[in-house]
Amino acid sequence: AQSVAQPEDQVNVAEGNPLTVKCTYSVSGNPYLFWYVQYPNRGLQFLLKYITGDNLVKGSYGFEAEFNKSQTSFHLKKPSALVSDSALYFCAVSQRSSSNTGKLIFGQGTTLQVKP
Amino acid sequence: DVKVTQSSRYLVKRTGEKVFLECVQDMDHENMFWYRQDPGLGLRLIYFSYDVKMKEKGDIPEGYSVSREKKERFSLILESASTNQTSMYLCASSFRLANTGELFFGEGSRLTVL
Repeated sequence: AQSVAQPEDQVNVAEGNPLTVKCTYSVSGNPYLFWYVQYPNRGLQFLLKYITGDNLVKGSYGFEAEFNKSQTSFHLKKPSALVSDSALYFCAVSQRSSSNTGKLIFGQGTTLQVKP
Repeated sequence: DVKVTQSSRYLVKRTGEKVFLECVQDMDHENMFWYRQDPGLGLRLIYFSYDVKMKEKGDIPEGYSVSREKKERFSLILESASTNQTSMYLCASSFRLANTGELFFGEGSRLTVL
């Protein structure tokens, strides 16, 4: 069965420091991987995705993520955190299959707190 | 911009009531989804639909049903609401070949069942 794990409930960083939000996945075959962000009382917004090609994917708001097949990980990173990055972040996986109707399996979410 | 609109942001209902959550998208997407969001559990898929009048169960369909009579509208129905259905409900949509594409989410409907 497909699954996604975000091992940290919360990540705290100081503004200006680099940040990493971790994600590991389990899926048969090669996955499609996604990161979403949710601000308080809002829906989820798409940040970036890995489909194929370069293992380093760049997305919105200066975020990037690195696909590591051997470690089955897709960690979200940003070189310099902003207070406005404080939010709830979700990793998600979709199975690469012709029968897939596009449904995503989500991790449990990681709260990012950036302090001034 | 793609817009997914959920009709009610906040609802308070009593145990046993029938509850309708409505979702409308304006991008002609084939796929529509209902997720439930609970702290520490992430998002869990309740039902999804890949075409009008088509529906498939997700991971937690018990206690819920759905209706898709028009392409742009996907309704979630709680036939008899219970307190354990207190949650945030998120609707999303995408194009059919969307395993390479992203989902577009509504703002969410926060349901409290007393």
